[in-house]
Amino acid sequence: GDSVTQMEGPVTLSEEAFLTINCTYTATGYPSLFWYVQYPGEGLQLLLKATKADDKGSNKGFEATYRKETTSFHLEKGSVQVSDSAVYFCALGGAQKLVFGQGTRLTINP
Amino acid sequence: KAGVTQTPRYLIKTRGQQVTLSCSPISGHRSVSWYQQTPGQGLQFLFEYFSETQRNKGNFPGRFSGRQFSNSRSEMNVSTLELGDSALYLCASSLAFSGRDGEQFFGPGTRLTVL
Repeated sequence: GDSVTQMEGPVTLSEEAFLTINCTYTATGYPSLFWYVQYPGEGLQLLLKATKADDKGSNKGFEATYRKETTSFHLEKGSVQVSDSAVYFCALGGAQKLVFGQGTRLTINP
Repeated sequence: KAGVTQTPRYLIKTRGQQVTLSCSPISGHRSVSWYQQTPGQGLQFLFEYFSETQRNKGNFPGRFSGRQFSNSRSEMNVSTLELGDSALYLCASSLAFSGRDGEQFFGPGTRLTVL
């Protein structure tokens, strides 16, 4: 079945560092790919998405490119801020439902 | 536009009891999904309802059940609570089926503690 594998956390960085959170997927067909973010005490919210190969999703300085050849959708940000501290979930939207990765906890130190 | 609301936000129960959680989706959304979030297992899909019909079900025992009403509001019920049911239960709504085009909007969750 469809599945998503994220890099294990937690990840701790200093402010203004470069961020990469790896995400790879296994799916039949042509899924959509998503990154969701969960801030402390809140539910998940959509950060960005891509619906077909080579699409790049972007929002709030975060980017991710749908790479069909490597079945990946890595999340990147050039300069992180303390306010980016949260749990990040990669998700795959197949024919039936959304499938989430395990989540990666990110902590940014000032 | 109001977001997804979940009630109650916090709940404490004892083993063997049952519990009902409620979710009101965003106005106009017809799909409601439920997830269980725990530190050990992460985010696990429970079930999805669309137009009052269960469309998808995750790998949970029959003690977990749900329903959706004609106004799209949804409830989930857990009977004979076990300690392992302690978790954050998240509800998410979307315009149509979740999946390929289904961006989901999440509520803040109900934190259930089973003693």
